Amino acid sequence: NAGVMQNPRHLVRRRGQEARLRCSPMKGHSHVYWYRQLPEEGLKFMVYLQKENIIDESGMPKERFSAEFPKEGPSILRIQQVVRGDSAAYFCASSPRDSPTYNEQFFGPGTRLTVL
Amino acid sequence: AQSVTQLGSHVSVSEGALVLLRCNYSSSVPPYLFWYVQYPNQGLQLLLKYTTGATLVKGINGFEAEFKKSETSFHLTKPSAHMSDAAEYFCAVSSFSGGYNKLIFGAGTRLAVHP
Repeated sequence: NAGVMQNPRHLVRRRGQEARLRCSPMKGHSHVYWYRQLPEEGLKFMVYLQKENIIDESGMPKERFSAEFPKEGPSILRIQQVVRGDSAAYFCASSPRDSPTYNEQFFGPGTRLTVL
Repeated sequence: AQSVTQLGSHVSVSEGALVLLRCNYSSSVPPYLFWYVQYPNQGLQLLLKYTTGATLVKGINGFEAEFKKSETSFHLTKPSAHMSDAAEYFCAVSSFSGGYNKLIFGAGTRLAVHP
């Protein structure tokens, strides 16, 4: 059973460009979480999605950031008009639909975004 | 609101020595507590978790942690450090509210192991 997959692993963008980060959850998992890790900091929750629904986006910046998890295909985190402050590692985690209450999350290897 | 404080951003131990990484949490509801390890340029791997029941939790690679409600702590220990334990360790807290589980992470502790 393959783990959580993220691509690309490394992404370089110039200021003003768009960044698209992809996350394929583990097989059978229908819950996806996105976290951001700024340099020398811990992970910060961004958004929680189920198939075709955004459940909690309380950690998402109000502008330029959006996320989706379509019925088919991976979850996408999209950052428009990137700025240098967006440089960070972005991690995706997934959990199964019918999980126990402790709801363990399985993390992908992350996408490291560098904005020049 | 929930929060996590990890005391010591950097910890250095000798190979074979005791490892102690400190974590204190704040939660208004019974917490679920986790320790994750992150090796350079990799994702997070779950070391161990506390949900309910036994307060001493054993995890992978010889690590264990004890949930102490009175001290709001969940410190991570390992009796004897190996060179391969050098990594960054994150403590996290969550509550299963609203039907899902949002993790709140501490800032992390970087563990160095020297010969």
